[in-house]
Amino acid sequence: DQQVKQNSPSLSVQEGRISILNCDYTNSMFDYFLWYKKYPAEGPTFLISISSIKDKNEDGRFTVFLNKSAKHLSLHIVPSQPGDSAVYFCAAVNYGGSQGNLIFGKGTKLSVKP
Amino acid sequence: NAGVTQTPKFQVLKTGQSMTLQCAQDMNHNSMYWYRQDPGMGLRLIYYSASEGTTDKGEVPNGYNVSRLNKREFSLRLESAAPSQTSVYFCASSVAGGEKLFFGSGTQLSVL
Repeated sequence: DQQVKQNSPSLSVQEGRISILNCDYTNSMFDYFLWYKKYPAEGPTFLISISSIKDKNEDGRFTVFLNKSAKHLSLHIVPSQPGDSAVYFCAAVNYGGSQGNLIFGKGTKLSVKP
Repeated sequence: NAGVTQTPKFQVLKTGQSMTLQCAQDMNHNSMYWYRQDPGMGLRLIYYSASEGTTDKGEVPNGYNVSRLNKREFSLRLESAAPSQTSVYFCASSVAGGEKLFFGSGTQLSVL
């Protein structure tokens, strides 16, 4: 049973527009959420995170929104650039659980077209 | 600063062969992890080591063994490779209990 779901395998956006990547989770015990970005033939790299006590975190062009009641988070990229084309993984962790319990979604492949 | 280094980058095995994937980090992190990534499956945790001298199973540990050789190094061993173990393997590290993982560039393994 998937605890972290990214229901859109792919997303295509025009350069300069907003990209919105979505993530849903089922485990209400998750208290920290992260987004990782992955280019082909490279390992994932940390992008941005949010604690469950917040509903928004911003870092430059990247903003993550958390809606705890809906168990939903989203990553907004504004404006989108061709270099943002990558696979984005949503991940969640329960600090009260055991070590090593970072759960990843299946990823969304973002393509930003010039 | 190399970060997390994995070797080899590519490997082809025959069913039943054994091999060890090596991982080393130079960030003085306490925790290390092995993940596998399969198409449409995201990243799944195989084993992790919270600190030197400890290892624990993750979501998909069957068919694998690990060794935390020292604080820097964490190896993953396939004793008898199976086609189902064809995947991309990523090693990662973090500060103790940290959720921000630093990943290596991966090992593409094919088992024929």
